Amino acid sequence: AQSVTQPDIHITVSEGASLELRCNYSYGATPYLFWYVQSPGQGLQLLLKYFSGDTLVQGIKGFEAEFKRSQSSFNLRKPSVHWSDAAEYFCAVGVEVGYQKVTFGTGTKLQVIP
Amino acid sequence: DVKVTQSSRYLVKRTGEKVFLECVQDMDHENMFWYRQDPGLGLRLIYFSYDVKMKEKGDIPEGYSVSREKKERFSLILESASTNQTSMYLCASRGEAYNSPLHFGNGTRLTVT
Repeated sequence: AQSVTQPDIHITVSEGASLELRCNYSYGATPYLFWYVQSPGQGLQLLLKYFSGDTLVQGIKGFEAEFKRSQSSFNLRKPSVHWSDAAEYFCAVGVEVGYQKVTFGTGTKLQVIP
Repeated sequence: DVKVTQSSRYLVKRTGEKVFLECVQDMDHENMFWYRQDPGLGLRLIYFSYDVKMKEKGDIPEGYSVSREKKERFSLILESASTNQTSMYLCASRGEAYNSPLHFGNGTRLTVT
């Protein structure tokens, strides 16, 4: 069975600073990887996804993520954080077997300070 | 744009009550899901459905059941609500393609007293 680890529960960055949120997955084959964002009181919105090909993927709102097979990681990055990026971020892994179950990490809450 | 609508934003129920959480999607998606979200635990899959009248247990199905009589509607049922079912419940839908992302509703915050 697949699993996802987000080691940082809470991260605080200054507005304008760069951001990296960590995600490690466990799965025997090539997984399908996603990052979602959840603003307060809202459902989850897809930021970006990786299935194959270029290991650096671009998403919405200026986010990008890099798939590193050797490290089983899919870290999310943004070069300059805006106050509106304050939210909770979830990494997820999907698999192409059975009913294509998607497993989520426990989330990283991002606080942005002026 | 895909729209997933959950009928209630907030719900307060008493212990032992039967509770229905409703979810409707407008994109003709085959797959629908119910997740439970708790602080520090992320999203945990309760049940999912890959077709009308078809369902599969997720990771935490105990105390829950589901119903999918029409393709667009997926209901989560708490047969006898308990306080440990106080949580945020998220419905999602997804197309048939294996690389389709999940589309989420805004959630129902259920409090059981």
